[in-house]
Amino acid sequence: GAVVSQHPSRVICKSGTSVKIECRSLDFQATTMFWYRQFPKQSLMLMATSNEGSKATYEQGVEKDKFLINHASLTLSTLTVTSAHPEDSSFYICSARLALAGAQETQYFGPGTRLLVL
Amino acid sequence: SQQGEEDPQALSIQEGENATMNCSYKTSINNLQWYRQNSGRGLVHLILIRSNEREKHSGRLRVTLDTSKKSSSLLITASRAADTASYFCATDGIGDDKIIFGKGTRLHILP
Repeated sequence: GAVVSQHPSRVICKSGTSVKIECRSLDFQATTMFWYRQFPKQSLMLMATSNEGSKATYEQGVEKDKFLINHASLTLSTLTVTSAHPEDSSFYICSARLALAGAQETQYFGPGTRLLVL
Repeated sequence: SQQGEEDPQALSIQEGENATMNCSYKTSINNLQWYRQNSGRGLVHLILIRSNEREKHSGRLRVTLDTSKKSSSLLITASRAADTASYFCATDGIGDDKIIFGKGTRLHILP
């Protein structure tokens, strides 16, 4: 099946620094990728939809200037958490949508990136 | 925003018993999917059921979908310790390319 990777798998940073998380579709092209955030013992919350070649669409309550998304190519989307603070510590998961002509679209999820802000 | 509501929020059963988890959603959907997540790990896709399907099986898993009630159930038969995990339903709405997750059920299988 299709594979989506994330890098890094975990990161620890000091408060005030920026952290970039990469999401790659390894064996398919994805015009659309999605970013989710998951706090401990909670569900995944959709943060934004990342579209190749255009601006990301953010969900209500998600600060676009804090969570910068760049869909640089058909296989790469990056999420940058700017000026990270302890409350941004979370598990960030991306997904990539695979659309095949004549077939149903399927989303594939990355393994997640655990961010800890000290 | 979250679409699905799972119940129960937490479930503990003895190994070998069947586990049933339910999910309700609010808007019309194309598909409903169930995922498993072990603590601190990524998602594992379990099963997808389309809006025109009513029941689907995969190994020890049985999923039902009732679009009139906007609800789905996941049944795990003959549970094993390895089934201990959180289970989420996720839906994609008609005309919407987003997948929205429910709150999840934490399943604990007792040895």
